[in-house]
Amino acid sequence: DAGVIQSPRHEVTEMGQEVTLRCKPISGHNSLFWYRQTMMRGLELLIYFNNNVPIDDSGMPEDRFSAKMPNASFSTLKIQPSEPRDSAVYFCASSLDTSGGAGMVFGPGTRLTVL
Amino acid sequence: GEDVEQSLFLSVREGDSSVINCTYTDSSSTYLYWYKQEPGAGLQLLTYIFSNMDMKQDQRLTVLLNKKDKHLSLRIADTQTGDSAIYFCAENRDDYKLSFGAGTTVTVRA
Repeated sequence: DAGVIQSPRHEVTEMGQEVTLRCKPISGHNSLFWYRQTMMRGLELLIYFNNNVPIDDSGMPEDRFSAKMPNASFSTLKIQPSEPRDSAVYFCASSLDTSGGAGMVFGPGTRLTVL
Repeated sequence: GEDVEQSLFLSVREGDSSVINCTYTDSSSTYLYWYKQEPGAGLQLLTYIFSNMDMKQDQRLTVLLNKKDKHLSLRIADTQTGDSAIYFCAENRDDYKLSFGAGTTVTVRA
C-alpha cells in the first residue's frame, strides 16, 4: 500500500493565482480529512468527508477555499485566489470510520508558498 | 488546538529516557493519541490509549493516562537520535475530529 498520496509536494505561486492540491486516500478508507499546519496555529482541521460527502467544513477559513471529493479515491482542495497568509503545509489524512483515530493515516503534505 | 496543551521543547541526552507531557480538556474523549512528525513528513501514529486504561506499553514507548487530572504522558526509553522529531498529543472529539496540541520538539543530543 502506497499510503495517502498527495500532490504536488511543493507549490510556489503568486498571490491571486488559483492553487489546487490533490489527495488520493488509502483504498478502502471512507473518511478523508484536510488539515493545515502553520507555526502560528498548529494543526487545523479544514474539512472532513465521510463516504465522499462533506460532513464538517467549519474549519474552512473563508470562501476562497473549497474542497471536493468526486469519488472514493480522489479529493481536491482549491484556493482561489490565493494569498500570502495561505502559506502553510496542507495535509490530507484518511481513515476507516470504524477505527476512530487509531487508523488515521496522514499523507506527506503539500508545502504551499504564496508570494 | 488550544484545548490540548503540551510543552514546546524537550532536550534529552542519547540513551536517557524522554518524557513528554500533555493535558487535555474533554473528559469524554474516548481515545488519546501520540503522533510523531519527522522533518518534511506527515504525522505518523505512534500509539494510542483507550480512556479506560491507565497505562499502555509498546516496546520503548510507555503511555500513562491520568483521567482525573486529564494528563497524558509519553515516555521513550533509551532515546535515540532517530527519536528527534515533533510529538503531538491528540484527543478525539465527536466520532471523527481530533484536536491536536501544538507539538513538542524533541532534540536528542549525543
